[in-house]
Amino acid sequence: AQKITQTQPGMFVQEKEAVTLDCTYDTSDPSYGLFWYKQPSSGEMIFLIYQGSYDQQNATEGRYSLNFQKARKSANLVISASQLGDSAMYFCAMREGPGAGSYQLTFGKGTKLSVIP
Amino acid sequence: KAGVTQTPRYLIKTRGQQVTLSCSPISGHRSVSWYQQTPGQGLQFLFEYFSETQRNKGNFPGRFSGRQFSNSRSEMNVSTLELGDSALYLCASSLGPGSGYNEQFFGPGTRLTVL
Repeated sequence: AQKITQTQPGMFVQEKEAVTLDCTYDTSDPSYGLFWYKQPSSGEMIFLIYQGSYDQQNATEGRYSLNFQKARKSANLVISASQLGDSAMYFCAMREGPGAGSYQLTFGKGTKLSVIP
Repeated sequence: KAGVTQTPRYLIKTRGQQVTLSCSPISGHRSVSWYQQTPGQGLQFLFEYFSETQRNKGNFPGRFSGRQFSNSRSEMNVSTLELGDSALYLCASSLGPGSGYNEQFFGPGTRLTVL
């Protein structure tokens, strides 16, 4: 079974509007972390935001926020006020286990976001 | 602070050859992970090193190997290359265990083409 599911292969959004990228995950480990990365066409993975399984509040980083619904096992990324430079692939990833363990990330298949002027 | 560097950035090899990719982590980072990215399989974990020790290995054949040096630089080697090994190989560095959520910083990748 897939551990990270991103159901939107591609999304379009108008410049200056908000967009939500979906991510659901599957784990039986009570301790885990969820990450979102952006990958422009250049290939480099850029870290955007992190949410820990025990975090009480949804994470926010500038224009990025994470809508974390633990019971539904979803961790959707919200980008507010989209910019042309936001056009890229976006990956949701999970790390399972406590901090002393492996830091292996499991990635979803990604969502290609295109921002329209 | 310099980011993660990977060399070479592009590589073309033929089937049967072997290749070595290099990764220099961010200064002070002691953990290095490697990932393979292909259009079909997406991003897959290869291995993770901390303090010169392999902590975890993904589901890849023994042709894929790696190591980490005392200065935290890491290399990965692929022997007897196959066409399916064509991919973007990404290296990520992090501080290591006990460092909060231990965000991983990725390098620009090495794009390997096997002909």
